Amino acid sequence: EVQLLESGGGLVRPGGSLRLSCAASGFTFTNYAMSWVRQAPGKGLEWVSTINGGGEDTYYADSVKGRLTISRDNSKKTLYLQLNRMRAGDTAIYYCARRYCTSSSCSRDVDHWGQGTLVTVSS
Amino acid sequence: QLVLTQSPSASASLGASVRLTCSLTSEHSSFAIAWHQQRPGKGPRYLMKVDSDGSHIKGDGIPDRFSGSRSGAERYLTISSLQSDDEADYYCQTWGIGMNVFGGGTKLTVL
Repeated sequence: EVQLLESGGGLVRPGGSLRLSCAASGFTFTNYAMSWVRQAPGKGLEWVSTINGGGEDTYYADSVKGRLTISRDNSKKTLYLQLNRMRAGDTAIYYCARRYCTSSSCSRDVDHWGQGTLVTVSS
Repeated sequence: QLVLTQSPSASASLGASVRLTCSLTSEHSSFAIAWHQQRPGKGPRYLMKVDSDGSHIKGDGIPDRFSGSRSGAERYLTISSLQSDDEADYYCQTWGIGMNVFGGGTKLTVL
């Protein structure tokens, strides 16, 4: 069974840092580009960042570039998101999600989601 | 710039059918998209992929009541025999050049 299990959320003060994790199981982790998607209270889904299967290529939304860092440890089948200089606008549920890739291309569709971890930025 | 446009809301009666629309920007009309369902208080769930030829591939356990299709730059999600637990937000999604893109979501109310 495919599982994506996020952890690491919590309450953090403005300007603080947090590292989120997403533990994957039930599939070949390196065959998938992995993404972080967040959802602020009462809002829609917002893409945050994506990393390719090998970990060499990373992509970021303009709103988080320079403050957030995506990474993965394929030996541990785990995806990470380091959040720095956090601000109130980062308050959201953070989901990890996967997208299938072959050696030559990736599909466009996210085909599995984790259950999310809540991050609250407040003084 | 790749944009996915969805109507903010839709409604239909219990047992009826409803078709939700996701519009791609015209220069991206060949893109496949995915539909995701998010019930109140829950995380998103993958429903299906709709390809540029209108074919669709559903996720595991998605009922036959859910189907996908396309016309030009529009991608559709049709839900038939509506049930109360179909009341949810529905998002379309695709991948562009270096970015994941989501539509704004359609809130479906089952009357």
